[in-house]
This record gives sequence, C-alpha cells and structure tokens, in this order.
Amino acid sequence: EAQVTQNPRYLITVTGKKLTVTCSQNMNHEYMSWYRQDPGLGLRQIYYSMNVEVTDKGDVPEGYKVSRKEKRNFPLILESPSPNQTSLYFCASSLGGLAPLHFGNGTRLTVT
Amino acid sequence: KQEVTQIPAALSVPEGENLVLNCSFTDSAIYNLQWFRQDPGKGLTSLLLIQSSQREQTSGRLNASLDKSSGRSTLYIAASQPGDSATYLCAVRLNAGGTSYGKLTFGQGTILTVHP
Repeated sequence: EAQVTQNPRYLITVTGKKLTVTCSQNMNHEYMSWYRQDPGLGLRQIYYSMNVEVTDKGDVPEGYKVSRKEKRNFPLILESPSPNQTSLYFCASSLGGLAPLHFGNGTRLTVT
Repeated sequence: KQEVTQIPAALSVPEGENLVLNCSFTDSAIYNLQWFRQDPGKGLTSLLLIQSSQREQTSGRLNASLDKSSGRSTLYIAASQPGDSATYLCAVRLNAGGTSYGKLTFGQGTILTVHP
C-alpha cells in the first residue's frame, strides 16, 4: 500500500532532550516536507526537500533540523526541544514539486 | 509573503444542500492550488489539485475552480452528505523562481458539518 509513515504517533518528552521524528514513503517520491499544525495558526511548513541532499527552509524552520540522505526517508530532528514546539507534526511527499501531496497520519509531540 | 484565507471558518448545513467553500490568496504568482480534507485526529487527504494554467477540476461531487488573477478558488460540494463533515483546507504553491515551488502556504480551513 502506498503510504507516508511517521513514527512515533505520540511523543512526550522534556525540554532539551534531543529527539527525532521519522518519516518514510514507499512511493519513490522526490519531494518531501514537514509541517506543524497549531490551533489558531493552521498548518505551517517547517522544511522541504526537492530531492536527495536538497533541503530548504519553510516558514518556521527555527529549532528544527532535517536531512535527506536517501529518497524514502526525511527525518525531523529537534536538537533541544522547547515547550513552544509542542504541536501536531505532519510529513508529506509528492512525485515532484507540482504533484498532489500525500500526508502521513501525524505525530503529536508534547514537550514539558 | 503569501497569505491564504478561507471563508467561512465554519459551516453547518442540512444534508442534501449544495455548498461553496472559499479560498483567497494574496500573491497570484502560484504554481498550483490544492484542496484537502482533514478528519479529526487524522492526516490530510488530497481532494483536488488545480495547476495555475487550469480553471477548474472535478472529482465526483466536488468541483474546484481557480481564478489566479483575482487570487481566489472555490470548492463546490454538490448534494452534501453527513460523511462530508470534516475540515477543508486549501494550500498554494509559490512561483518565485528556483526551488521556491517547494514552499506551500495553507489556509486555516473551513470546518464543515453536514447534519442528517
């Protein structure tokens, strides 16, 4: 089944403890991206990647890192999480930058 | 900076009604516009994608139109059903050269409730 898989679905952590949220797609998509969704602010793009080793900032990249070492994986790294990064995170992918986006089911992160 | 606005923020209609959701954007330099549906606690599901050169797209009871020059898109849902209840979001891809088309801006969504 074609899908975008995020792990974990739920994560509770403490301030400053490094964490990684994984994202994997099995559709051979070139484009991948990360978003956070917050009440009243909607969905905002964090980072995107047009292809392997090509990444760029979205609207809210501060406090996040990404890497694209292989086509299928696009992990989101929080080096030193803070409470304001408590949010619902989504990964998405598409076949090229102009094709429909496919979303994962989300990761709910709580930083205390 | 691209800004995307969706009106209304919430809509409640009886089953069977035809309805229109609106999406407006401030910068007409876009590659395409995509409509999504989001069910509570779930990810987003793509409904329709309209490229900047197109005027509309249709899928079943859904029809989306795009007027790039005026910065507007509408999603028309015919004969609404309770199963259509969800949050509907639109997103635009920027066209500012280079890899800018990787950037997406979302509206805040319209919460639709269709009651039997």
